[in-house]
Amino acid sequence: QKEVEQNSGPLSVPEGAIASLNCTYSDRGSQSFFWYRQYSGKSPELIMSIYSNGDKEDGRFTAQLNKASQYVSLLIRDSQPSDSATYLCAVNIGRYGNKLVFGAGTILRVKS
Amino acid sequence: KAGVTQTPRYLIKTRGQQVTLSCSPISGHRSVSWYQQTPGQGLQFLFEYFSETQRNKGNFPGRFSGRQFSNSRSEMNVSTLELGDSALYLCASSLRVDNEQFFGPGTRLTVL
Repeated sequence: QKEVEQNSGPLSVPEGAIASLNCTYSDRGSQSFFWYRQYSGKSPELIMSIYSNGDKEDGRFTAQLNKASQYVSLLIRDSQPSDSATYLCAVNIGRYGNKLVFGAGTILRVKS
Repeated sequence: KAGVTQTPRYLIKTRGQQVTLSCSPISGHRSVSWYQQTPGQGLQFLFEYFSETQRNKGNFPGRFSGRQFSNSRSEMNVSTLELGDSALYLCASSLRVDNEQFFGPGTRLTVL
């Protein structure tokens, strides 16, 4: 079993719709979780971090964490064509320090 | 505040050579992590440095090494290059442990 799993997609949504991206992880001791966006040929860009169970909202983005189910999700409201990118889920498995494990990423395509 | 910078941006080397990549973190950030990104394996953690000490290490052979200087700048070295080392090498910095990591633009290494 991979440590962080995501559906590779592509996930296609129409402009203005809600895009829902999901991620599961295997390390029950992990305490910090991140979503990155990566455009083709560019480096990952941090869009959300979440540390506690529940929802965290930032603009059009909402991250959801359920540690009991080992599940993290990202909702993008009012999706725009500029949101088309690969979304990477990352989990810090380092007990002392930072050691991010990434999922393979979900390709999102927003169609206008 | 300036972001993470990496030099050089592109490198072409031949098998058997060695290479040194450099990373300057965001001002005030003391943790620097290195990652390798390839189409086949995705984003993989190499190592993390904090206060000039390697704090975490990924599953890479000993040909991959790094160090951190007192000003938090970091270098990674790959010796005896192999074709499979062709990848995008990314550096990320964070303010403290279990905190958000911000990526630099990466160094694209091609091994011929």
